[in-house]
Amino acid sequence: DAGVIQSPRHEVTEMGQEVTLRCKPISGHDYLFWYRQTMMRGLELLIYFNNNVPIDDSGMPEDRFSAKMPNASFSTLKIQPSEPRDSAVYFCASSFSRSGANVLTFGAGSRLTVL
Amino acid sequence: AQSVSQHNHHVILSEAASLELGCNYSYGGTVNLFWYVQYPGQHLQLLLKYFSGDPLVKGIKGFEAEFIKSKFSFNLRKPSVQWSDTAEYFCAVNHRGSTLGRLYFGRGTQLTVWP
Repeated sequence: DAGVIQSPRHEVTEMGQEVTLRCKPISGHDYLFWYRQTMMRGLELLIYFNNNVPIDDSGMPEDRFSAKMPNASFSTLKIQPSEPRDSAVYFCASSFSRSGANVLTFGAGSRLTVL
Repeated sequence: AQSVSQHNHHVILSEAASLELGCNYSYGGTVNLFWYVQYPGQHLQLLLKYFSGDPLVKGIKGFEAEFIKSKFSFNLRKPSVQWSDTAEYFCAVNHRGSTLGRLYFGRGTQLTVWP
């Protein structure tokens, strides 16, 4: 398996532009997570899905952020409009629920810079 | 609210020194515990995990961690560090049961090993 695949790896955009980050989880995994990592706040969970259904989106900063999972093999995280404070590394992770535990496999991350 | 505390923000050691990184969590129920490592410029990778059984768990690259339930702790140890262990280390907790899928991360500890 190629692991969790994220694109783009790097994105530089101007304030006000729309940003779409993409994630392909590991085949067969039933959980998908979006995390944001910054120096100031560390790793923050933004939202997670179980079987393509959003379970907890309480970490989504504000209405400018939205996430979708139209099928088991694809998810997007969209920021519209983007702001400089959104600059961070966005990680996608997936896992397979088994025996009450979750072991996350992370993607390589998408480094977003908003100018 | 659930929290995971990593007391050391930055640890600097010389090669061959012993390492212990602290991790405490606040949840009183049954938990699964994890340590993840993030090497410079890379994504998070699982170092080791505890689900049940022997509270002393061994992971990759000579790392081990001990779960002490009475202290709500899951400290990471390595008897002799190497320069290649330079990375950021994250402790994480998952609640078994109703909140399956939610992983709480600590703020991370940056380990720098001097050759």
